[in-house]
Amino acid sequence: EAGVTQSPRYAVLQEGQAVSFWCDPISGHDTLYWYQQPRDQGPQLLVYFRDEAVIDNSQLPSDRFSAVRPKGTNSTLKIQSAKQGDTATYLCASSLGTARAPLFGEGTRLSVL
Amino acid sequence: QQQVRQSPQSLTVWEGETAILNCSYEDSTFNYFPWYQQFPGEGPALLISISSVSDKKEDGRFTIFFNKREKKLSLHITDSQPGDSATYFCAASDYGNEKITFGAGTKLTIKP
Repeated sequence: EAGVTQSPRYAVLQEGQAVSFWCDPISGHDTLYWYQQPRDQGPQLLVYFRDEAVIDNSQLPSDRFSAVRPKGTNSTLKIQSAKQGDTATYLCASSLGTARAPLFGEGTRLSVL
Repeated sequence: QQQVRQSPQSLTVWEGETAILNCSYEDSTFNYFPWYQQFPGEGPALLISISSVSDKKEDGRFTIFFNKREKKLSLHITDSQPGDSATYFCAASDYGNEKITFGAGTKLTIKP
């Protein structure tokens, strides 16, 4: 069974540029999460979906970040105008509702210069 | 407010010793606690988990001890191996909520 797939693996931007991250969850998993993990810190939830619906986006900086999962499968996280403080690894995870613990992809490491 | 706290921040033990990683939480509604292992450049990998109805969960060299009254958990890694060197995250969620809250992690180094 294929795991959670993320792309790209790395991204380097100047402040003010836009970037999109893509996630393909494990087949059949209805719940999809996006986490931000700053260097030497734990993952911090940004947003999560059940199927195509946003369940919790309270920690997503809505002025610059957006996330969609239009068909309840793949998902895209976009940063409209990146800031140096956005430098972090962005992790996608998925789970089947009853499984409780999400399984993670390898992440996208973002550096904003 | 940090709802899940881990200690120590970093820990070094010799190969063959038992490493003990601590976790505490504040929200009494938390009832499920997965632990993740993360190597540099990789995503966190689910290692072992426990629900609040149990006070102990064992999987090979990894054991979780859970004290519901004190809201504390610990992960014991027996016969530590250099390959166990990684960062370990304690996480928590409550029943009916798919939202998982992570601690800041413990960086474990095993010296050969």
